[in-house]
Amino acid sequence: AQRVTQPEKLLSVFKGAPVELKCNYSYSGSPELFWYVQYSRQRLQLLLRHISRESIKGFTADLNKGETSFHLKKPFAQEEDSAMYYCALSRETSGSRLTFGEGTQLTVNP
Amino acid sequence: NAGVTQTPKFQVLKTGQSMTLQCAQDMNHEYMSWYRQDPGMGLRLIHYSVGAGITDQGEVPNGYNVSRSTTEDFPLRLLSAAPSQTSVYFCASSYNTPGASYNSPLHFGNGTRLTVT
Repeated sequence: AQRVTQPEKLLSVFKGAPVELKCNYSYSGSPELFWYVQYSRQRLQLLLRHISRESIKGFTADLNKGETSFHLKKPFAQEEDSAMYYCALSRETSGSRLTFGEGTQLTVNP
Repeated sequence: NAGVTQTPKFQVLKTGQSMTLQCAQDMNHEYMSWYRQDPGMGLRLIHYSVGAGITDQGEVPNGYNVSRSTTEDFPLRLLSAAPSQTSVYFCASSYNTPGASYNSPLHFGNGTRLTVT
């Protein structure tokens, strides 16, 4: 069965510092990887997906199949980036069924 | 468009009581699902549906029932609430794209915070 692991439950950085949220997965096929974000008092929403290969709000994530990772990175963190971040995986046959990681609470301090 | 609407926002139940969490979407999405969110465990899939009249179990289905009589609605029923079902419940929907080269992203509701005493 597939599994998504986010090793850091809490991550705290200062404004302007680089930030990396780690995501590792276990799945032998060709997964699709996502990052979802939940800002305070807002609903969970898609941040980015690996097939788009785009930068959203300054965040990027590259799928590394050799290391089975999909780490989320931003070179200069902003206070408004403080949120709960979830990495998620979809198998090629599972349609919209996602397997989520445990989540990482990011706090960006002024 | 309202997107995905969940009601109620908060609910307190006593052990053994039953209730239904409502979920409705106005985006004509074929796929709908229910997740529960627990600290340190992320979101876990309870049940899902790929279209009206079709439902299936997810990762943690025990203690929950669902039905999908219309495209718009996907209620989640707790038959006999237990303290272990204290959680935040999220409904999510998307276009179902079987056989597509990519999957449509999920649209989430605001969640229902359930406490079972």
